[in-house]
This record gives sequence, C-alpha cells and structure tokens, in this order.
Amino acid sequence: GDSVTQMEGPVTLSEEAFLTINCTYTATGYPSLFWYVQYPGEGLQLLLKATKADDKGSNKGFEATYRKETTSFHLEKGSVQVSDSAVYFCALGGYNQGGKLIFGQGTELSVKP
Amino acid sequence: GAVVSQHPSWVICKSGTSVKIECRSLDFQATTMFWYRQFPKQSLMLMATSNEGSKATYEQGVEKDKFLINHASLTLSTLTVTSAHPEDSSFYICSANGQGTMAQHFGDGTRLSIL
Repeated sequence: GDSVTQMEGPVTLSEEAFLTINCTYTATGYPSLFWYVQYPGEGLQLLLKATKADDKGSNKGFEATYRKETTSFHLEKGSVQVSDSAVYFCALGGYNQGGKLIFGQGTELSVKP
Repeated sequence: GAVVSQHPSWVICKSGTSVKIECRSLDFQATTMFWYRQFPKQSLMLMATSNEGSKATYEQGVEKDKFLINHASLTLSTLTVTSAHPEDSSFYICSANGQGTMAQHFGDGTRLSIL
C-alpha cells in the first residue's frame, strides 16, 4: 500500500545550522507531495507542496524537490531559527489515494539558540 | 485564504456525556472534510471522510456509532463523540480540501479530556 517514511527524530540543531529532513514514499499513480508543520498544541499548517516530478516547493526559506527517480521529497532549509522548532510531517495525496492524505510519522525539530 | 476554523479548542467533560466538535471552512466551500485523531508524539490517524449531503466514510476500526459525523452544508462538518469515556481523550483535528487541490487545510484542533 501507499506509505510515507520520514527520518526519525528528534532532530536537534543549533541556530543557523543547515536542516535536512528525509522523506521517501511509496505510492500508486502520481500523487502530490506535501510538507506540513505542527507547532505545540496546534493543528497542521501547509508548509509547501509539489504536484509533479521535478517540481520544487518552497516557502519561508524551506524547500523540497519532488524526485520521482528516488521517490523522495526531502525538506531543507539553509539556516534554521529557534522559531522553526516544531514537528514536520511529510505527506502524499492524489486521486489514487481517494483524495486522502497519507502521512509520515513526523519528525520533531528542536533548534537551540 | 483557505482558513478552517475548529471549535471548541479544548473541552473537559465527565464520562458518559456527548461532545460535539465543529469544523468550518471560513472562506471557501468544502465538499469534503476529514476528521483525524492524534495521540501524543504520534502522527495523525484518519478517522473518517465527511462528504456534504451524504454519509461519512469511516476508516477501518473506527466505530461509526461512537463518532457521529454530520456534514450538512458546504462549510460545516461536525463530529460528535457519543457517551465519551476516558479512552476517547485525545486531540481531534479536522481538515478540508482547498478548491481544485489535493492540499488539505487544517483546523487548530480540539483537545478532548474525559474525566
């Protein structure tokens, strides 16, 4: 079945460090790929998305590229801030998934000053 | 755009009572809404897909008589936890598809505590 696998957390970084959170997927068809962020006690916010192979999604300094050949959608940011501390979820969804989103297990990021 | 409002954000009630949670799309029409449950430090678990004007589709293992879903309009879906017990305590989150996109927009969640 369809699935999303993220690197395990927690990930702890110092402010201004480079961030990579790995995400790989297995899916039928050609789903869209998403990164969501969840701050403590809140719902999820859409961070970025990509709808087809080689698309790059970007927002607030974060970016991820839809790599069909490696079935990956790794999240990167060049310089993290303390305010980026949150849980990040990779997800996929499309018509073959019945409009539903398939989520990874989430990766907790903690950025220290 | 694509704002989803969820209410209440936090509720505490006694065992045996029923609790209703509302999910509204504020600036768009949502023919489909989703209800999730999230346990601490875990990912989201899809409970059901709510379609305007028709019965909800529940995921395997979710008791439809326990978790009643109503989607009576294009901007409102409700989840009622009937005869709630402590094991129903959790964080419940709703979402709605933006128009013409597979991206889901999420409410801020409802923390339900059953004493």
